[in-house]
Amino acid sequence: SQQGEEDPQALSIQEGENATMNCSYKTSINNLQWYRQNSGRGLVHLILIRSNEREKHSGRLRVTLDTSKKSSSLLITASRAADTASYFCATPRLRGSTLGRLYFGRGTQLTVWP
Amino acid sequence: ETGVTQSPTHLIKTRGQQVTLRCSSQSGHNTVSWYQQALGQGPQFIFQYYREEENGRGNFPPRFSGLQFPNYSSELNVNALELDDSALYLCASSWTSGSSYEQYFGPGTRLTVT
Repeated sequence: SQQGEEDPQALSIQEGENATMNCSYKTSINNLQWYRQNSGRGLVHLILIRSNEREKHSGRLRVTLDTSKKSSSLLITASRAADTASYFCATPRLRGSTLGRLYFGRGTQLTVWP
Repeated sequence: ETGVTQSPTHLIKTRGQQVTLRCSSQSGHNTVSWYQQALGQGPQFIFQYYREEENGRGNFPPRFSGLQFPNYSSELNVNALELDDSALYLCASSWTSGSSYEQYFGPGTRLTVT
């Protein structure tokens, strides 16, 4: 399976702290995407990092990608209570039918306490 | 907001019944994918439609079927509902000719089967 897996499954921190979530995947990719989901609602695309990139920033988000280890990390700096959500990494299928379908892990549930 | 809408927001059905869920894709997108997300899990791919044809499906039985219309709206139909079909159903639209395979998700339909 190409499915990614996030680690940890749950993370609880205080406001102002940094939150780091990790993702591992199994097959070749051309990009890896991170999504956020609030309380069982729709997924919101956060950031996409291509396989030839090692690091990418977007506001308080920092994503790294290590294709040799088949892993990625998402860092949220100076966390806020509003960052409380589930975070998923996803990788797209590159060949065959269902091109572009996304494989998701189980996600990391982040709780940020005021 | 992604521009992808889904209806209804919530739905309660009885085991054995049939259900139709609807999705309106983001303008300009030619591909729609459907995902099932059970509680505490990541989204699982059901199937994908490209130019009104099913373009491949995940590990779901034939009682899960779909349609895509010329205006790129889409339906997911589930027959003979089972208790395990209770989940959040997400549709996602994308532009297949792109190489990033970034998908834009709707807010989801929460289906409860009793």
